Amino acid sequence: EAQVTQNPRYLITVTGKKLTVTCSQNMNHEYMSWYRQDPGLGLRQIYYSMNVEVTDKGDVPEGYKVSRKEKRNFPLILESPSPNQTSLYFCASSSRDRGYQPQHFGDGTRLSIL
Amino acid sequence: DAKTTQPNSMESNEEEPVHLPCNHSTISGTDYIHWYRQLPSQGPEYVIHGLTSNVNNRMASLAIAEDRKSSTLILHRATLRDAAVYYCILRAALPFYNQGGKLIFGQGTELSVKP
Repeated sequence: EAQVTQNPRYLITVTGKKLTVTCSQNMNHEYMSWYRQDPGLGLRQIYYSMNVEVTDKGDVPEGYKVSRKEKRNFPLILESPSPNQTSLYFCASSSRDRGYQPQHFGDGTRLSIL
Repeated sequence: DAKTTQPNSMESNEEEPVHLPCNHSTISGTDYIHWYRQLPSQGPEYVIHGLTSNVNNRMASLAIAEDRKSSTLILHRATLRDAAVYYCILRAALPFYNQGGKLIFGQGTELSVKP
């Protein structure tokens, strides 16, 4: 089954403790992306990657890092999490497109930073 | 990026058709119109997309105005499982390497379905 898998689904942690949210897709997609969703602000893009070893900033990259060493994986790293990064995070992937390929989303990771 | 406008919420009765409108008066000639929906506690899910002509798939139909400044997502028979937030999104038909593939989500329309 084609899917985007995020782990963990839920995490409560404390300020400053490094954490990684993993994202894996089994559709051989070139493109992967991270979004965060906050009430009243909708979904905002954090980082994206157009292929292995190619990543770039989205709209809200501060406080986050990513890497794309393999095509299927695109982890999101919070080196020193802060409470304002408490949010619902989604990973997405799609094939190369010219505006018409659908994006596939994971089920989300709810992070709470205390 | 061109902006879309949708009603905040709509209600429907189960088994009746639902027409979800979207205005995109600043759409450019090569923008695709996409619809996604987000069910409670899930990630967004692709529903349908179109460019100029009306489109049908197993989930829904998309009716696009002749001037492309508006579109309507049609659910032919709403079920309780269709209760979700529906997003109308424009995507530029640029070469892949020229865009971040970003989907710009507005507030969407929250659809509730009554039994």
